[in-house]
Amino acid sequence: DAGVIQSPRHEVTEMGQEVTLRCKPISGHDYLFWYRQTMMRGLELLIYFNNNVPIDDSGMPEDRFSAKMPNASFSTLKIQPSEPRDSAVYFCASRARDRRNEKLFFGSGTQLSVL
Amino acid sequence: GNSVTQMEGPVTLSEEAFLTINCTYTATGYPSLFWYVQYPGEGLQLLLKATKADDKGSNKGFEATYRKETTSFHLEKGSVQVSDSAVYFCALGENTGGFKTIFGAGTRLFVKA
Repeated sequence: DAGVIQSPRHEVTEMGQEVTLRCKPISGHDYLFWYRQTMMRGLELLIYFNNNVPIDDSGMPEDRFSAKMPNASFSTLKIQPSEPRDSAVYFCASRARDRRNEKLFFGSGTQLSVL
Repeated sequence: GNSVTQMEGPVTLSEEAFLTINCTYTATGYPSLFWYVQYPGEGLQLLLKATKADDKGSNKGFEATYRKETTSFHLEKGSVQVSDSAVYFCALGENTGGFKTIFGAGTRLFVKA
């Protein structure tokens, strides 16, 4: 298995532009998570899905952020319009089933820089 | 709500020194506890886990024991190597509600040769 695949690895954009981050979870995993990592706030959970349905989006910072999971093998995180304070590493992770002791599998992350 | 608190870094040690990274948690019920490690430029990967009180998780010389009485899950290693330099995250897996995983802020470890 190729693991969780994220694209792009690096994204540099200008303030006000739309940014779309992509994630392909591990086949068969029912849960998908989007995290954001910054020096100031560490690793924050933004949103997660179970069987393609958003379960908790309370971590999404504001309406400029949106996430979709149109099918079991693909998810996007969109920022529109982007701002410099959105600069961070965004991780996607997936997990099998709804068992609390199942580990998360992380992608390599997308390093986003908003100028 | 559930939360994880871990010691601030960075932690700098010489090779072969003893490592402890403290982690405490607040949770309802009986969560699972994890330590994840992040090497430069990579995503997090599971280092070890424990699913119930008094369980000891271990991997690659690292150990942590689930202490319910002190709500702690401290990470230890008897002799660190330069290759252990990374960021270490303590986490808990909820056993109610959404079953999400909550992470601590991370502790950066530098090991000098």
